[in-house]
Amino acid sequence: DAEITQSPRHKITETGRQVTLACHQTWNHNNMFWYRQDLGHGLRLIHYSYGVQDTNKGEVSDGYSVSRSNTEDLPLTLESAASSQTSVYFCASSEGNEQFFGPGTRLTVL
Amino acid sequence: ELKVEQNPLFLSMQEEKNYTIYCNYSTTSDRLYWYRQDPGKSLESLFVLLSNGAVKQEGRLMASLDTKARLSTLHITAAVHDLSATYFCAVEDQAGTALIFGKGTTLSVSS
Repeated sequence: DAEITQSPRHKITETGRQVTLACHQTWNHNNMFWYRQDLGHGLRLIHYSYGVQDTNKGEVSDGYSVSRSNTEDLPLTLESAASSQTSVYFCASSEGNEQFFGPGTRLTVL
Repeated sequence: ELKVEQNPLFLSMQEEKNYTIYCNYSTTSDRLYWYRQDPGKSLESLFVLLSNGAVKQEGRLMASLDTKARLSTLHITAAVHDLSATYFCAVEDQAGTALIFGKGTTLSVSS
């Protein structure tokens, strides 16, 4: 069955380190998204991509970057992790009307 | 800037009673989505509402969309414990692809 996976599921890192969160989908969807979820804020859009080599900034993109070299993957990189980036990160993909979400990555920055 | 507001943010429900969650959004959009999230889990799609007047029902949940009022409602009929979760509404941005989410409504059902 087609699916969307994220890795790692849990990550603890230190302030200032570079961290990359992986997102992989097997639906062959063109659209992929990264959100962060924090208590009291719901989900907020970080970056998104409409296809290979396309990336766009979302509402809370500062301190994050993405790259899209193929259809299946959209890795999210924190260039220099900060404590404010402690959160749960969800990747999603869509083609048409509905977005499908991955299982999430819980990131703690100490 | 598109804003999505849900209310209430918390709802303590009694079994077998009816309740409604409201989702207001600030700009024109014809597409609205409802998701459910259980604690520690991902988001599960409940309803996709694609046009004014759309109504969808699944079990004890019914969602409707009024694009003129920029309002969607999620109605719960005869609440049961299994419905305890956080429910999010989301609206497509003006580019028509990315979703803007409300803060979520956490439902707790007690007997």
